Amino acid sequence: DTEVTQTPKHLVMGMTNKKSLKCEQHMGHRAMYWYKQKAKKPPELMFVYSYEKLSINESVPSRFSPECPNSSLLNLHLHALQPEDSALYLCASSQDSQGPGNTIYFGEGSWLTVV
Amino acid sequence: AQSVTQPDIHITVSEGASLELRCNYSYGATPYLFWYVQSPGQGLQLLLKYFSGDTLVQGIKGFEAEFKRSQSSFNLRKPSVHWSDAAEYFCAVGLIYNQGGKLIFGQGTELSVKP
Repeated sequence: DTEVTQTPKHLVMGMTNKKSLKCEQHMGHRAMYWYKQKAKKPPELMFVYSYEKLSINESVPSRFSPECPNSSLLNLHLHALQPEDSALYLCASSQDSQGPGNTIYFGEGSWLTVV
Repeated sequence: AQSVTQPDIHITVSEGASLELRCNYSYGATPYLFWYVQSPGQGLQLLLKYFSGDTLVQGIKGFEAEFKRSQSSFNLRKPSVHWSDAAEYFCAVGLIYNQGGKLIFGQGTELSVKP
């Protein structure tokens, strides 16, 4: 069972709305991630937070705004999205982000539909 | 450049039959390798991982994988498939990226199980 919890599981929003996706982990991990996954494709990395600081931004459009209030919480703020942003958004965490051997654990994802 | 190739987009096996999913990687150093499974509408669940040591790795749900450096492969196997194994399977390599860790995923193999 995953120990990364994401809310909401489903979200429908208009292109002018502002909404947020939330993620929480209680494994004591110090790195948290946002991935985007389109249907029948592998996940694509969006952001990495390491020790509550943004360490990687994969050139994501500014309509996606991440926030890490503390080491257990990760938010993704959404504003003025486009229909092509509809996807499964996966949160993940690992012990830390240094080193390729850190195992990354994923949440169940939030399904986002932009209308 | 680092990459992961899963040659089989879709595989169908009969329930009770053996399974092998192929994964080849391209990476200059010793790779950190992972297999994840994704059931429809769900997040990614870690099946197993290879960091070093014994090249035959045991995972959850009766899966195992064998690391073969000479063939740059990390194939996933299961001796007897169950209907509940029907899912998408992703092979991934972990690497250092911009002072952080990052997973490079293959394109995935969809497994169907015939009764």
